[in-house]
This record gives sequence, C-alpha cells and structure tokens, in this order.
Amino acid sequence: SSELTQDPAVSVALGQTVRITCQGDSLRSYYASWYQQKPGQAPVLVIYGKNNRPSGIPDRFSGSSSGDTASLTITGAQAEDEADYYCNSRDSSGNHLVVFGGGTKLTVL
Amino acid sequence: QVQLQQWGAGLLKPSETLSLTCAVYGGSFSDYYWSWIRQPPGKGLEWIGEINHSGSTNYNPSLKSRVTISVDTSKNQFSLKVSSVTAADTAVYYCARGEPAVIGHYYCYYMDVWGEGTTVTVSS
Repeated sequence: SSELTQDPAVSVALGQTVRITCQGDSLRSYYASWYQQKPGQAPVLVIYGKNNRPSGIPDRFSGSSSGDTASLTITGAQAEDEADYYCNSRDSSGNHLVVFGGGTKLTVL
Repeated sequence: QVQLQQWGAGLLKPSETLSLTCAVYGGSFSDYYWSWIRQPPGKGLEWIGEINHSGSTNYNPSLKSRVTISVDTSKNQFSLKVSSVTAADTAVYYCARGEPAVIGHYYCYYMDVWGEGTTVTVSS
C-alpha cells in the first residue's frame, strides 16, 4: 500500500504530552520520518529512524513504532510546537516511491 | 552545512512547462536521493519524484506522464520539468535531500535538508 494516514487535527494543553500517529502498511518495514511545518516555512525533519533527532531538535520530541503505526510524541508541549506535522516513508511495495501522510494540525492550548 | 538553493519561473499560463532547478552547496552529491515535493495552497505535501547522482529516477505515478527530473553532476544541480500545467499545479515546490538507511530489520528514508520553496502559480 502507498498510503499513510494521520488524524487531521490534534490539540494539547501547554506543558502536557501529545501523541500524533501515522498508520500504513509500509510502516511494517519502514521507520516513519516526521516533519514539522510552520506557516510559510519549509518542512523541518524532527524525527527519523527508530528514534533519532537531528541536531537542534529539542529532546521533548520522540518517536516510536508498533506494527503498522508510528507515533510522534511531544512531552511538555510548548507554544512554539504549534504546527503541521507530516509523517513519511518509502512505499513498501518495491516501487521505490515516497509517501507522505496527510498531515496533522497541532494546536497548543 | 548543506544548503539547497532553488529557482525558477513563478508564474505560468495553462499548457506551459514548469521548470525549476535546485543547487546543492556544501556536501556530497553522490550519496543521496534528490527529491521534488509540492504543496498546493492549504493542502499537504505531495512527493513528485526523485533522482540520484547516476540519473536513476522514481516518479509519483499520478504525475509521471508529465514530469521529468534530471541531474547535472558537474554543477551539483538537479531540475524539475512539469509539462502541460493547469491551475491544479499551482503550489509551493520544494527540493529536498533524501537519505535511505537500514536499521536492523527496518528500512528508513528521511529528507533532512530542504530548499526554501518556490511558489508557482498557473493562471491565464
């Protein structure tokens, strides 16, 4: 399958923990990568691999995976974390395609 | 620090060909895949296709008939052409570096460097 499914919107109270999920058959063989996108800006990679953060990404961002579902967790959400989040992987069908989830709009209350 | 700088025409008429180029500065060109991604206004990210240094390409099946991605390794640049554009091709277009990896029994593919984006508008 070449689809990754995300909830369109999630909200979290300031300082609380939030989990954003991504579901798809390809995630049984691929770790998801996660991107944060703020309005008018290019996406920024925040998590890749089993649970790796690029330099400069705060450690409140973490990733996990189980079966066909990947999760991005923000522990102690900050106001600046309000953004769109996208998951991504290669398609597992062998066609060498790249797929993105539809995105989750995170609101920090 | 790797940087991607992209450029190209921002306003097109229907049926014209979209043409964008992305230059890679400050890093290896041969170890990665180089992708184009677009984002229509108010919508999500859509992968268009990718190329590696040897010219091997993969395309989104929904766009494959109109898309050509090429590479110029002498300049560390790669380019996108989309033919016969319509209003549906109006979007911000991004170039990005893709890195595949194998971690234990899992694969991983991530895009760790992105261009700033180019707004392309198709209008008569």
